Amino acid sequence: SQTIHQWPATLVQPVGSPLSLECTVEGTSNPNLYWYRQAAGRGLQLLFYSVGIGQISSEVPQNLSASRPQDRQFILSSKKLLLSDSGFYLCAWRGGRDTGELFFGEGSRLTVL
Amino acid sequence: GQNIDQPTEMTATEGAIVQINCTYQTSGFNGLFWYQQHAGEAPTFLSYNVLDGLEEKGRFSSFLSRSKGYSYLLLKELQMKDSASYLCAAMDSNYQLIWGAGTKLIIKP
Repeated sequence: SQTIHQWPATLVQPVGSPLSLECTVEGTSNPNLYWYRQAAGRGLQLLFYSVGIGQISSEVPQNLSASRPQDRQFILSSKKLLLSDSGFYLCAWRGGRDTGELFFGEGSRLTVL
Repeated sequence: GQNIDQPTEMTATEGAIVQINCTYQTSGFNGLFWYQQHAGEAPTFLSYNVLDGLEEKGRFSSFLSRSKGYSYLLLKELQMKDSASYLCAAMDSNYQLIWGAGTKLIIKP
């Protein structure tokens, strides 16, 4: 069966520090992968998606970047965090043979101070 | 523009029935999803509708009217564990999901 994991689960970072969130998928090949951010009381905001190794589409201009070095690995990064980067970050892959629903990782809670 | 509207918060009583509404406007349409999200956790898939009508899955049912751009999630025999946020998302012509802000459902004994 397919599983998706992301880490770390929680992190507190000072403004201006770097960020790296990692996501891996098991049990499937060539998945479509997504990074979302969820701010308190708001809907999911699509940050990046990838349809294959090295293929990244950015939805929202910001100081974040994403990379896909391997088929089942998706990394979200920042060189210098801003206060506004605080939020709940979710990695997802598109599964669902009939519906194409998203399956989410556990989430990473980022607090920038 | 693309938009999803759903109520911010609803309150219901344990054992009762509650209906959470969602209206959407998207560029093209390839289906409507409902997800459940408990506090501090990731969303989990509940239902998918692409044709008009009602889809029933146990205590949960989801309805879609494409002509009205409208969906609802119906929860029956409410349990305390149903306290969560319910997210509505519509898939546009590019197969990207447009998300609502979620409806926080509070269940009272």
